Amino acid sequence: GESVGLHLPTLSVQEGDNSIINCAYSNSASDYFIWYKQESGKGPQFIIDIRSNMDKRQGQRVTVLLNKTVKHLSLQIAATQPGDSAVYFCAENLSAGNKLTFGGGTRVLVKP
Amino acid sequence: GAVVSQHPSWVICKSGTSVKIECRSLDFQATTMFWYRQFPKQSLMLMATSNEGSKATYEQGVEKDKFLINHASLTLSTLTVTSAHPEDSSFYICSARVSSGRRIDEQYFGPGTRLTVT
Repeated sequence: GESVGLHLPTLSVQEGDNSIINCAYSNSASDYFIWYKQESGKGPQFIIDIRSNMDKRQGQRVTVLLNKTVKHLSLQIAATQPGDSAVYFCAENLSAGNKLTFGGGTRVLVKP
Repeated sequence: GAVVSQHPSWVICKSGTSVKIECRSLDFQATTMFWYRQFPKQSLMLMATSNEGSKATYEQGVEKDKFLINHASLTLSTLTVTSAHPEDSSFYICSARVSSGRRIDEQYFGPGTRLTVT
């Protein structure tokens, strides 16, 4: 089934601390995963992606971890800044269908 | 690079009227564009896949006669909400997939269009 969120869980984090956002995906056949950041009233912004043949990928201040055994994806943000306050979505892609299915989203609030 | 625009950014219309939303890839060609709908505090839900020069593919539960999609060129797709009703009020977001490039499954999202039906 699809990962659809009716509520937005919120993660409050102190500025400078690390943030960890979790996502459970639904389709074990999905082979490409993406994290997006969405600020209020804007479209999703690409953060980082990972393919199913990897379990970890690092970017600038962000790390994505993939655990295919339990169908779990996480996004780690190092030294969280006020500008990181937004809603974060994971998305899974099944290449055969080439459509993105979005997870429910997590709101990150950075406290000064 | 890889900029997607939407027009208008917001629109208010009366119940029963039709509204057209444009999605443009500004600096790349996109054979495939996607239309999503997002209700407040919810995730993005795919409505349809728009392919240049062919009919759109709609997701289950999305009325194709109500949400008309036209992908007339490699840089433009339009979504027309026909006979809009208040329950159609939502944030509509398009994305465009690069026709050629390092990753064919890479999508770029537009800034969204806020539709309010009164």
